[in-house]
Amino acid sequence: GQNIDQPTEMTATEGAIVQINCTYQTSGFNGLFWYQQHAGEAPTFLSYNVLDGLEEKGRFSSFLSRSKGYSYLLLKELQMKDSASYLCAVTDRGSTLGRLYFGRGTQLTVWP
Amino acid sequence: ETGVTQTPRHLVMGMTNKKSLKCEQHLGHNAMYWYKQSAKKPLELMFVYNFKEQTENNSVPSRFSPECPNSSHLFLHLHTLQPEDSALYLCASSLRQGTLGDSNQPQHFGDGTRLSIL
Repeated sequence: GQNIDQPTEMTATEGAIVQINCTYQTSGFNGLFWYQQHAGEAPTFLSYNVLDGLEEKGRFSSFLSRSKGYSYLLLKELQMKDSASYLCAVTDRGSTLGRLYFGRGTQLTVWP
Repeated sequence: ETGVTQTPRHLVMGMTNKKSLKCEQHLGHNAMYWYKQSAKKPLELMFVYNFKEQTENNSVPSRFSPECPNSSHLFLHLHTLQPEDSALYLCASSLRQGTLGDSNQPQHFGDGTRLSIL
């Protein structure tokens, strides 16, 4: 099976930078997604990584190291609206193609 | 607005009731998914439909019965549910079920139906 691990909770202050880590173990890694989910709302797509390195999208960046089974989501210039759960998910060539395996999510709270 | 609409948003039902959850996507996608989200647990995939054909049933109990009449609509029929089935049920869609060449297609989620079993 797939083991996806991310911290349960994190806190930070407005304007700061926060890094949310995700580690995974899967035999046929085929890509990693980050989603944001506000309470009572749909998860929304943030980023996708399949090659090693950093992908930057405005205030959000996502990094992947395939050899280490590791990714992080970097949020800069934090705003109150960034308080949400951040979900890490991987796809695996060995299972139904396109199937996503999710971590438990990291609940981020941003304080003023 | 995510392009994926789920109804109802909240549902309370007894264990002997029969109800259905509905999902509609307006994105022109061909793959649709049902997920279960319980507190403190990862999102669990339940069913996948690709071009109206069921391609995955993730060992889901038969008291959950999916139906996909066309690529835009997905239903989850519920009957004789148990208290442990109380959860948020999320529908998602993607352009098509991923292949090796296009595994980067994100899934677009609806806001979910919050289901409570009495």
